[in-house]
Amino acid sequence: EPEVTQTPSHQVTQMGQEVILRCVPISNHLYFYWYRQILGQKVEFLVSFYNNEISEKSEIFDDQFSVERPDGSNFTLKIRSTKLEDSAMYFCASTGGLRGAGQETQYFGPGTRLLVL
Amino acid sequence: AQKVTQAQTEISVVEKEDVTLDCVYETRDTTYYLFWYKQPPSGELVFLIRRNSFDEQNEISGRYSWNFQKSTSSFNFTITASQVVDSAVYFCALKGGTNAGKSTFGDGTTLTVKP
Repeated sequence: EPEVTQTPSHQVTQMGQEVILRCVPISNHLYFYWYRQILGQKVEFLVSFYNNEISEKSEIFDDQFSVERPDGSNFTLKIRSTKLEDSAMYFCASTGGLRGAGQETQYFGPGTRLLVL
Repeated sequence: AQKVTQAQTEISVVEKEDVTLDCVYETRDTTYYLFWYKQPPSGELVFLIRRNSFDEQNEISGRYSWNFQKSTSSFNFTITASQVVDSAVYFCALKGGTNAGKSTFGDGTTLTVKP
């Protein structure tokens, strides 16, 4: 069964450093998402991406964040200058979207656990 | 704006007991989708079920069942004859029918099943 994959599974970085989290969505999917889950809290929407541009972003997704689909398979989340409060699990998700993204199940990757020291 | 409320923060049961996890939602969308996910200690989100707003049929899958009541905006999840392996955090989520299709999650319910 097709699945969303994410790398790395864990990342430790120093405050102020840039990190890039990578995702490979399911191959024929059209909509891509990043979510964040701070330890012990709920999963929060960060950004959605369609047709090579951001469709929607939350207030969490400020100027330190950016997303990119550099090629036909990868979808990346860059955090430019990490802060302690960026420590969280980051989930990538994708949706087929042929009938509109709202109509289809969102498939989540296994997550990248980011720790900022 | 969308909102999902899981009023039960933690539930503890003894193995073989039945347990129901509550989920209440708010949305202005006329078409929307409801989900339940399981998050084991390893951290991944395991998809359990999706229910469309226009389909109020309840569903059963093995020991799992879901009760969707549009009139009360609820989408409750029942585990029958719980097992220790059911111990996890369970999230209810709402996805609007718009093209962007983001999901709004509840705070989660931590279920502990004791042997």
